[in-house]
Formats: sequence, structure tokens, C-alpha cells
Amino acid sequence: DAGVTQSPTHLIKTRGQQVTLRCSPISGHKSVSWYQQVLGQGPQFIFQYYEKEERGRGNFPDRFSARQFPNYSSELNVNALLLGDSALYLCASSLEVLRGINEQFFGPGTRLTVL
Amino acid sequence: AQSVAQPEDQVNVAEGNPLTVKCTYSVSGNPYLFWYVQYPNRGLQFLLKYITGDNLVKGSYGFEAEFNKSQTSFHLKKPSALVSDSALYFCAVRDRNNAGNMLTFGGGTRLMVKP
Repeated sequence: DAGVTQSPTHLIKTRGQQVTLRCSPISGHKSVSWYQQVLGQGPQFIFQYYEKEERGRGNFPDRFSARQFPNYSSELNVNALLLGDSALYLCASSLEVLRGINEQFFGPGTRLTVL
Repeated sequence: AQSVAQPEDQVNVAEGNPLTVKCTYSVSGNPYLFWYVQYPNRGLQFLLKYITGDNLVKGSYGFEAEFNKSQTSFHLKKPSALVSDSALYFCAVRDRNNAGNMLTFGGGTRLMVKP
């Protein structure tokens, strides 16, 4: 079975541009979460979506937005890019969030470099 | 607010020796605790989780972790280290009272196993 997939693998943008990152969860998983991992730090939670609704949001500015589609895939959008947005963006999927403790399975990430 | 501390940036151990990677946490309620491993240019891989019950949790690749409520710790251990265990290890916590699946990660500990 395929794991969590993310595209693109790498991305280079300049300050002020906008970027869209994509994630496909494991088949059957209905929840997708996004994390930002700055070099040398642990991942930080950005968003969680379950059944196409936002279920949680981390301490990130409004330049960050996301959505989940009917097939449970997800996009993360970042507007007006800053140098500090350079990071590895990780997507994680889990079965659901309402019942039980479902571990999150992470994709390989998208490496975003802002110049 | 919940937080995780991994006090050691790096742990060095000889192959065949036991290893311990330390983690302490802070949550308002009872915690769910996780360990993930990250290899270079890869996403996070789930190792093990503590939900309830036995304080000693066994996970993948021979790893185990011990939950200590009084010390608010969840140290990762392995009886005999392998060179292939060299990687970046992250401890994460989720508050049981959180409806969502948001994980708070520590800063990571780099494990170096030398032949």
C-alpha cells in the first residue's frame, strides 16, 4: 500500500511569492495534518483537517491556509512568502480523530526554500 | 499548553551498548506520548506510543519506552544499539483533553551509533 505522498519534493521561491503544497493521505485515512519543520527543530503543527473541516490550527499567521478535498487529499497554501518560511513541510494522515488514538503517518515532506 | 523537552541534542553510543534518549513532557491533563524517528531526507516514522496501561511500551525495531508519571518522562531505550539506528529521534505529546490529533514535538535528539 502506498504511504502518504507529497508533491513537489523540492521547491524554490522568492520572497513575496505564493506556494501550494499537496498531500495525498493513506487510502482510507480521513484526517490530514500539516507540520512545519525548520532546520534543526522539531515539527510544529500548522493545521488539521478531518472530513474536509478544519479541526485545529497552530500558531501561524493568516498567510497560511489549507483545505481538504472530497477524496481527503489536501493542499497547504502560503502567501507572501518570507525567508523564515523556508522549511520542510510535512503532511501526516490518520484514520480519524474522534475515536481512539490513531497514530499519524508522515509523508516525506516538501522542502521549501525561499530566496 | 503542552510542551516536550529533549535535553540532549546528541547522544553517542557504541554499537552493541544500550541506549537511552531522554524526553520530558508537560500537559494539563493526562498525556498520550509518541516517539518518531527521522532519517536524512525522509519524513517521520512512527516507533511507539503510550496510551494507558503498562508503563513499559514496546515498539518497532527493538525500541521500547518507559512512561514515568511522577517524573513526567518518557525515555526511549534499546538494549543493544545498531549502527543503522543512527538518526534523529523526536518525542511528541498529545493532551487527552484535545479533541483533535495535534502533536507537540520536542526539538529532537540526534543518535550516533559508532561501530
